[in-house]
Amino acid sequence: DIQLTQSPSFLSASVGDRVTITCRASQGISNYLAWYQQKPGKAPKLLIYAASSWQSGVPSRFSGSGSGTEFTLTISSLQPEDFATYYCQQHNSYPLTFGGGTKVEIK
Amino acid sequence: EVQLVESGGGLVQPGGSLGLSCAVSGFIFSDHYMDWVRQTPGKGLEWVGRIRNKANTYTTEYAASVKGRFTISRDDSKNSLYLQMNGLQTDDTAVYYCARVADNSWSRTVDDYWGQGALVTVSS
Repeated sequence: DIQLTQSPSFLSASVGDRVTITCRASQGISNYLAWYQQKPGKAPKLLIYAASSWQSGVPSRFSGSGSGTEFTLTISSLQPEDFATYYCQQHNSYPLTFGGGTKVEIK
Repeated sequence: EVQLVESGGGLVQPGGSLGLSCAVSGFIFSDHYMDWVRQTPGKGLEWVGRIRNKANTYTTEYAASVKGRFTISRDDSKNSLYLQMNGLQTDDTAVYYCARVADNSWSRTVDDYWGQGALVTVSS
């Protein structure tokens, strides 16, 4: 199985900050990586797929990059509604796997 | 509007069985692959399995942790997805989500719509 390691697992940031989350895969997955946002008590929401493609309706302050084994999700200017937990997921091969999550909290 | 609504969650004893349903609306269900994903309390997400569409002969994929115990099925005439869980263990306790797979191509084999989740508690 492909293991995904996210870092950091927790970060504290202020509104307006630029935030970067990293996801490393245990083996190459081409560009088949997605990012989800989850708020407490809610289902995850797809933000990015295929490493850098925006899901419809997702604000442009969210961007993804990377290929192979290293990927990043960047929020260019953190907004109050962005405080949540973010997960990466590889969609390269079965079983699909998720990273452990990055919780973004208000500083 | 795309909607997915899970039902059937509850409390079950270790070794027991439980079935979940997911009723969908707002899209052509028969066209899409469908997933089940679970989340243990306070923890992260785990993909449970997938069922493909009729064009791909309804074949399934499962996580190793549930293979042989869980069965995913669907009824396209009822716009419904199912998860039959047998031999439940305490570490199967989780919120179970059904999710629509955006597209059959690997570049978009991601979950673009999710249900609200159904809590399954395995405890004596």
